Amino acid sequence: EDQVTQSPEALRLQEGESSSLNCSYTVSGLRGLFWYRQDPGKGPEFLFTLYSAGEEKEKERLKATLTKKESFLHITAPKPEDSATYLCAVQVSGQNFVFGPGTRLSVLP
Amino acid sequence: DAGVTQSPTHLIKTRGQQVTLRCSPKSGHDTVSWYQQALGQGPQFIFQYYEEEERQRGNFPDRFSGHQFPNYSSELNVNALLLGDSALYLCASSLTSGRAVMRNEQFFGPGTRLTVL
Repeated sequence: EDQVTQSPEALRLQEGESSSLNCSYTVSGLRGLFWYRQDPGKGPEFLFTLYSAGEEKEKERLKATLTKKESFLHITAPKPEDSATYLCAVQVSGQNFVFGPGTRLSVLP
Repeated sequence: DAGVTQSPTHLIKTRGQQVTLRCSPKSGHDTVSWYQQALGQGPQFIFQYYEEEERQRGNFPDRFSGHQFPNYSSELNVNALLLGDSALYLCASSLTSGRAVMRNEQFFGPGTRLTVL
């Protein structure tokens, strides 16, 4: 069964304190790994797509990396506005997307 | 560039009733997927529509049905509502008929918050 897990479940950082979020997956036929940001009561906002092990993508203070079994979302010098739930999803064979439960990030000023 | 839109924003129903949710995809997209997101959890895939047909379905009962119209917009219908159907329903659009590098990107709407009493 295709499965995606994320850790930690919740993370509190001080402004400027860099850290990483983990997404581990067990799927048959990975077609892509996606990171989304979701603010409370809103739809997920697309951040990155990664397709192959070793690939990296960057956007402002965020950097996503991919290995054969997991992906990391690195947050460098976070700001309070980076507070959100970060969702990881994998696209498996066909068109199905399987989401992880998310990591709730709080950045304190 | 219009993004994904959904209506209504919020909806309150009672058990046993039926509900219809609507979605308009991002301009230029031809594929619509529906997700159910319970509080504190990640979105769960319900089904996907392309060329007015259900292309793939997740592990949801037949009470959940959908439709896609010629203009690519879509509806999600849920019959015989249960308390457990209370959730945020998300619509995501993507492009199937395009360059491969673009096909996998899904863009989400703001969601419809359904409360079943």
